[in-house]
Formats: sequence, structure tokens, C-alpha cells
Amino acid sequence: QSVLTQPPSASGTPGQRVTISCSGSSSNIGSNIVNWYQQLPGTAPKLLIYSDNQRPSGVPDRFSGSKSGTSASLAISGLQSEDEADYYCAAWDDSLNGHVFGTGTKVTVL
Amino acid sequence: QVQLQESGPGLVKPSETLSLTCTVSGYSISSGYYWGWIRQPPGKGLEWIGSIYHRGTTFYNPSLKSRVTISIDTSKNQFSLRLSSVTAADTAVYYCARDFLSSRSAATGSRRSWFDPWGQGTLVTVSS
Repeated sequence: QSVLTQPPSASGTPGQRVTISCSGSSSNIGSNIVNWYQQLPGTAPKLLIYSDNQRPSGVPDRFSGSKSGTSASLAISGLQSEDEADYYCAAWDDSLNGHVFGTGTKVTVL
Repeated sequence: QVQLQESGPGLVKPSETLSLTCTVSGYSISSGYYWGWIRQPPGKGLEWIGSIYHRGTTFYNPSLKSRVTISIDTSKNQFSLRLSSVTAADTAVYYCARDFLSSRSAATGSRRSWFDPWGQGTLVTVSS
């Protein structure tokens, strides 16, 4: 019952660029900032991108975020094996008056 | 740096109440911020449960609101989750996290909100 829709999977070879989409609505992505989380296997999620396109300290600049209208995207350039993880978008939803997460995308490095 | 650690029973019987506590270190929760709970059923995605401000204001997921209570104890630097009338569907890894929820920006009209950092998570199984 996630409000934000992501593709279930994405893949690429080392060095390639991978893009993950996140589709929402006017009450969430269209009105508020988008964040992205990375969840490595067996670990807790980690903040990867906040405020649409800002990277926390320590996050490589290979990761970038963008937003247009009611959709957002996460791009991973120069894909590395350690990028294999689940990625979730998230935003505040004004209609639900709460946080909503995306359905999640599993990134595989071929 | 700020660290969070969940604690509580790993097994709860159906119809009973799930209770978890999150202990915060490296930051005094009475200084500010919201503090939240998120869960993840095995093999599934993330679901926000609710968040509490250091002064006690709460936001709850509408789908869980009737069963959830989040409280805060600034003297112990802890906040807690209670989820009543649990079923097998409540089996999940439960995470606590600092919530950077803000009021709406006068300049952009957007509300800022993200979770950072997260606790390591604790698995709660609902089973008789």
C-alpha cells in the first residue's frame, strides 16, 4: 500500500549509470522534498539523499537526486559492486499527514 | 555522534501489546527534533509508524493510528512504541530514527522531513 511507486529492480555493469524513478502525487512529491535511502543487505536503511538533491557528508558524489513535478529520480553513476542494495524514496504526504515510502528498488551489479 | 538503539521483546503473542524502547546517545532528545518509528516486514518495504516531538506532539500513520502510542521520556533520553492487538501481520524489523520533520517553509512551501540516523533494528515476531 505504498504511496510512492518505484520499479522493483534495476541493474547495470560496473561503471555504468543506473537511474531509479519514484512516482508520487501532488500531495507528496509535488508539495514536499524527496529523500532517498540505501539499505545494504542485512542492515538498517541509511540516508543517501535529502532535500531532493543534497548528499549527507560521506556519501559519494556518484549518487545524485533530482525532482520534477510529482516524480523524482536517483542516479548512480560509475556503478560499483558495493552499490548493490535496496533503494527507497520517501516524502511527507500532506493528505495523509505523515511520511510515505516508495515500494523500493533492488539494484543488482552484473 | 548520534546513535539509537532499539530494545524490547523479540516475541509477542497475538492480541497482546508490542512494546519497544529506543535509547538515544550522543544527543539530548529534549533539545529538539522529532523521533520516529519505522518497520519492515520480512522481505518487504518500509512503513512509517509514527513520530513524536521532544515536547510530546505526535504524528501517526493513519492505518495504524487506532493501535499505536508513542511516548517520550526526556529524563532517560528514550522514546517508546506501543502497538496493541498485534497479529502475525505486525511481524517485522522495527527501527527507530531521528526525524528531521519541520514546519512548512515560508519560502518554498515545502515541508522538510527525513530520517537520520537509524537504529540497527530489532525483529519482533508475533506468534503463539
